[in-house]
Amino acid sequence: DADVTQTPRNRITKTGKRIMLECSQTKGHDRMYWYRQDPGLGLRLIYYSFDVKDINKGEISDGYSVSRQAQAKFSLSLESAIPNQTALYFCATSDRVSHLREQYFGPGTRLTVT
Amino acid sequence: GESVGLHLPTLSVQEGDNSIINCAYSNSASDYFIWYKQESGKGPQFIIDIRSNMDKRQGQRVTVLLNKTVKHLSLQIAATQPGDSAVYFCAESYGANSKLTFGKGITLSVRP
Repeated sequence: DADVTQTPRNRITKTGKRIMLECSQTKGHDRMYWYRQDPGLGLRLIYYSFDVKDINKGEISDGYSVSRQAQAKFSLSLESAIPNQTALYFCATSDRVSHLREQYFGPGTRLTVT
Repeated sequence: GESVGLHLPTLSVQEGDNSIINCAYSNSASDYFIWYKQESGKGPQFIIDIRSNMDKRQGQRVTVLLNKTVKHLSLQIAATQPGDSAVYFCAESYGANSKLTFGKGITLSVRP
């Protein structure tokens, strides 16, 4: 079984809808991250969490919110989806030993906003 | 602002040859530099990292070189194989609790 799972894997939604992307991990890591990937732009950090009570904004947090429901679960919400949020979204985890250098990524969620 | 970027968008190499993927960075205060590999349809995967006080580090078939004088990072892959075909990202970090800043990625294509 995969260590980092994301659901759904693909999602098509309409402008203005609220959607949630979920991430679960079985690695026992404290730190979790959400990134978006756009062609030619690499990976950009949306939010990150170092433990259940710690949430931090990344470089592109506007229009997104997150919830760390448990050590193993970190969800990303788009309150009112817009077309330029169409992208590939990745969840990742890391432990304290290697800090954030060695991150373990999920398989991604492809989101299309029409 | 700070940025991590790559010189070339694509690199095509013959199977069995050595590959060299280059990256320029701008934050001289970064303390680690990292390479990730992303295969088609998958999430990025950690390959190797190097601390800023080192200039070379070797892994299995890969070597990372760091030239702080010109703010340049490279990933060398020996005897490139078809399974090395992927997008490669360089990234940098600063401080224990800082985020990773990723470059835009370069595609490595291995010709049979």
